[in-house]
Amino acid sequence: DQQVKQNSPSLSVQEGRISILNCDYTNSMFDYFLWYKKYPAEGPTFLISISSIKDKNEDGRFTVFLNKSAKHLSLHIVPSQPGDSAVYFCAASAGNTDKLIFGTGTRLQVFP
Amino acid sequence: ETGVTQTPRHLVMGMTNKKSLKCEQHLGHNAMYWYKQSAKKPLELMFVYSLEERVENNSVPSRFSPECPNSSHLFLHLHTLQPEDSALYLCASSQGRVRSGNTIYFGEGSWLTVV
Repeated sequence: DQQVKQNSPSLSVQEGRISILNCDYTNSMFDYFLWYKKYPAEGPTFLISISSIKDKNEDGRFTVFLNKSAKHLSLHIVPSQPGDSAVYFCAASAGNTDKLIFGTGTRLQVFP
Repeated sequence: ETGVTQTPRHLVMGMTNKKSLKCEQHLGHNAMYWYKQSAKKPLELMFVYSLEERVENNSVPSRFSPECPNSSHLFLHLHTLQPEDSALYLCASSQGRVRSGNTIYFGEGSWLTVV
């Protein structure tokens, strides 16, 4: 039973447009959410996070939105750049554990 | 350079071999983790060490044996593995524990192939 789901395995976006990556979760105890980016042959790199007390967090071109009632979060990248092409993982944790639960990832391709 | 260094980056071992994966973090963190990524599966937590004490073992078989001699170093000792243990093994660290809302930072991973 997967508690964190990324239902789109891949996404293709034109350079300069907005990329929207989605993530759904089932565990209402999750209170901290993160996005990681992974290039081939490298480990995941932390991108941005959000606590459940917020519904939005912004860092430069990256914004994460959290909808607790829908158990849904999304990562917006605007404007998208070719260097953003990577696999993006959503992760979640609950306050009573040190376990980060990851989704299966969405492969983003930004084309010129 | 992520501040978390893993060696070796690639390892091929037979089922009767004993080998170890090494991780070193240069970030001054006090918690370290082993994660496993198998093909087409999400990253799975294996072990958590906080202040050199193992605080979580995520039902990992005993053929995987972690060791944390100090807050900067973490090892994963491998013994009599199976081919299905072939995967990417990722080390990570954080300042403070995940349950307190702290972010973990990953190394580049060690690709393990068991033949």
